[in-house]
Amino acid sequence: GDSVTQMEGPVTLSEEAFLTINCTYTATGYPSLFWYVQYPGEGLQLLLKATKADDKGSNKGFEATYRKETTSFHLEKGSVQVSDSAVYFCALSPKIQGAQKLVFGQGTRLTINP
Amino acid sequence: ETGVTQSPTHLIKTRGQQVTLRCSSQSGHNTVSWYQQALGQGPQFIFQYYREEENGRGNFPPRFSGLQFPNYSSELNVNALELDDSALYLCASSPGRAGANVLTFGAGSRLTVL
Repeated sequence: GDSVTQMEGPVTLSEEAFLTINCTYTATGYPSLFWYVQYPGEGLQLLLKATKADDKGSNKGFEATYRKETTSFHLEKGSVQVSDSAVYFCALSPKIQGAQKLVFGQGTRLTINP
Repeated sequence: ETGVTQSPTHLIKTRGQQVTLRCSSQSGHNTVSWYQQALGQGPQFIFQYYREEENGRGNFPPRFSGLQFPNYSSELNVNALELDDSALYLCASSPGRAGANVLTFGAGSRLTVL
């Protein structure tokens, strides 16, 4: 079945460091891919998405490129801030009939130290 | 526009009891999905409702059931609670059958089963 594997956390970085969180997926066909962020005590917020191969999603300085050759969607940011501390989830949505669901990875907890 | 609101935010039950969680969808959204997020894990799809009918279900037993009302709000009911049902339950709404690309999540209901 469809699945998402994320880089294990927790990840701790200093402010202004470069961030990469790896994400690979297994799916039939070409799903849509997402990164969600969850701040403490809050629900999930969509960070960025890509719906077809070679698309790049970007938002708030974060980027991820849909790579079908490597079935990956790695999250990157050039200079992280303390406010980026949160849990990040990679997810896919299969392109099938019926319920449009999300399949999530296990999440990566990111802590940014000042 | 109002977002997705869930109630209660926290609750504690004992094994064998029943629980009802509620969700008000975002204005203009007629599809509601429910997810279970165990501690330290990614959310897992429970089921989806579209126009008051179940529109897909994940790998959850029948004691997880739901309803959607004419105003598109929704309930998640869990019978015969087990310790492993302790989790954050997330509701998400979307317009029509536009799919997972446009999901809006609530902040969740945290259920503890003792």
